[in-house]
Amino acid sequence: AQSVAQPEDQVNVAEGNPLTVKCTYSVSGNPYLFWYVQYPNRGLQFLLKYITGDNLVKGSYGFEAEFNKSQTSFHLKKPSALVSDSALYFCAVRDPSGGYNKLIFGAGTRLAVHP
Amino acid sequence: EAGVAQSPRYKIIEKRQSVAFWCNPISGHATLYWYQQILGQGPKLLIQFQNNGVVDDSQLPKDRFSAERLKGVDSTLKIQPAKLEDSAVYLCASSPQGVVSGNTIYFGEGSWLTVV
Repeated sequence: AQSVAQPEDQVNVAEGNPLTVKCTYSVSGNPYLFWYVQYPNRGLQFLLKYITGDNLVKGSYGFEAEFNKSQTSFHLKKPSALVSDSALYFCAVRDPSGGYNKLIFGAGTRLAVHP
Repeated sequence: EAGVAQSPRYKIIEKRQSVAFWCNPISGHATLYWYQQILGQGPKLLIQFQNNGVVDDSQLPKDRFSAERLKGVDSTLKIQPAKLEDSAVYLCASSPQGVVSGNTIYFGEGSWLTVV
C-alpha cells in the first residue's frame, strides 16, 4: 500500500534561516508526490508536485522540494523562512489502486517561524 | 478561475442530528473528492466521484454517511445521525481527471463540523 510519513510533528526555525520539512514515502511503481499547506481555518493549498524529470521541484511562495529515489524522500525546503510561512504542511502520494487515482496524506508537520 | 466552493463553512450540531455539506467543484473538473480531516491528522478520503459515478467509497461509513453528485457537477455529503467522533473538517476537492498523469487536486476551504 502507498504511504507517506512525516517524522516531525513540529519544526521550529528562526525567520531568515533555511527550513526543511521532511517526508518519506513508500510506493509500488513510480511515485507522484505532492506538498500542500494549510493555514489556520483554511483548506489545503497546493505548493508543488513531483511527477517525473528534475529531482529539484520549484513551487509557490519560494518553496522547493528535492526528490531522492534512493532515500525514498521528498523533503520540502525554503532558503529563507518568513513568519508568514508558519502553517501546517502535508506531504501526499498518489495511490492508483483500484484504477482511479487519489492522494494519501501524511499526518502533517506544523512549521513555526519565529521573528 | 473560481476555486472549489463549499458551504456551510461552520456547523455545530448535537449528536444524533443530521447535517449536509455542499460542494461545487472547479468548472470542468470530472473528479470530485470528499476528505475528512480530524484535528491533528492528515486528510482521509471518504468518497471519490468520476463524473456522477462513485469510484471509491471504501472508507465511507455507510451506515451514517451518504454522498451524491447529481448531474456530475456539484455534490452533497450528508451525515445522519451524527456522532461525537464525526467532529472534523470536511474537505471537498476536484481535479480534471483524478491524479492520473499527475493532475493536481484542488481543495475548497472546508466545512468545519462540531458535534456536541
